[in-house]
Amino acid sequence: AQSVSQHNHHVILSEAASLELGCNYSYGGTVNLFWYVQYPGQHLQLLLKYFSGDPLVKGIKGFEAEFIKSKFSFNLRKPSVQWSDTAEYFCAIRRTGKLIFGQGTTLQVKP
Amino acid sequence: DAGITQSPRHKVTETGTPVTLRCHQTENHRYMYWYRQDPGHGLRLIHYSYGVKDTDKGEVSDGYSVSRSKTEDFLLTLESATSSQTSVYFCAISESSGEGPYEQYFGPGTRLTVT
Repeated sequence: AQSVSQHNHHVILSEAASLELGCNYSYGGTVNLFWYVQYPGQHLQLLLKYFSGDPLVKGIKGFEAEFIKSKFSFNLRKPSVQWSDTAEYFCAIRRTGKLIFGQGTTLQVKP
Repeated sequence: DAGITQSPRHKVTETGTPVTLRCHQTENHRYMYWYRQDPGHGLRLIHYSYGVKDTDKGEVSDGYSVSRSKTEDFLLTLESATSSQTSVYFCAISESSGEGPYEQYFGPGTRLTVT
């Protein structure tokens, strides 16, 4: 079955630290890839998306992600996190029109 | 933000009672989705709709039914609520489901507690 795996379930960082959240998927064909963020008490918002072209995708709020096809990965990065980045982050792939989400990673940034 | 509202935003109900959650959109998007969010599971698709009166099952559809009589409204019904259906329910909309730069926009969520 197609699946999306986020290896880090809970990450704690200090402000200004660099962030990398892992995301791997199991499908070998063409995929569309997404990272969503959910701030405490809020709905999901799109951070960035990959459809084709440059595998390094830049999103909002200084986030970026790199699609590595050979590794079936789409890791999310940010060079310097802020306290306001405290949130839950979800990786998702789209196949046959439906989104398949990973389990989510809770990021806690300490001031 | 996309024009998506969900009602109610919070509900507490008893086991065995029917519950209907409503999703309303003002974007005229063709596709609408219902997800549930549970710790450790991310979001899982319950049902989706690809047009008025056109719906299909998702990954976790048992115990749920849906209806879409108008483009703007997508209803999720729990015929007889169980404690395992305690969750946060999100509605989403999308212009297209095809492979391309189409994203899903999410509503604010409904927190449902079944006692």
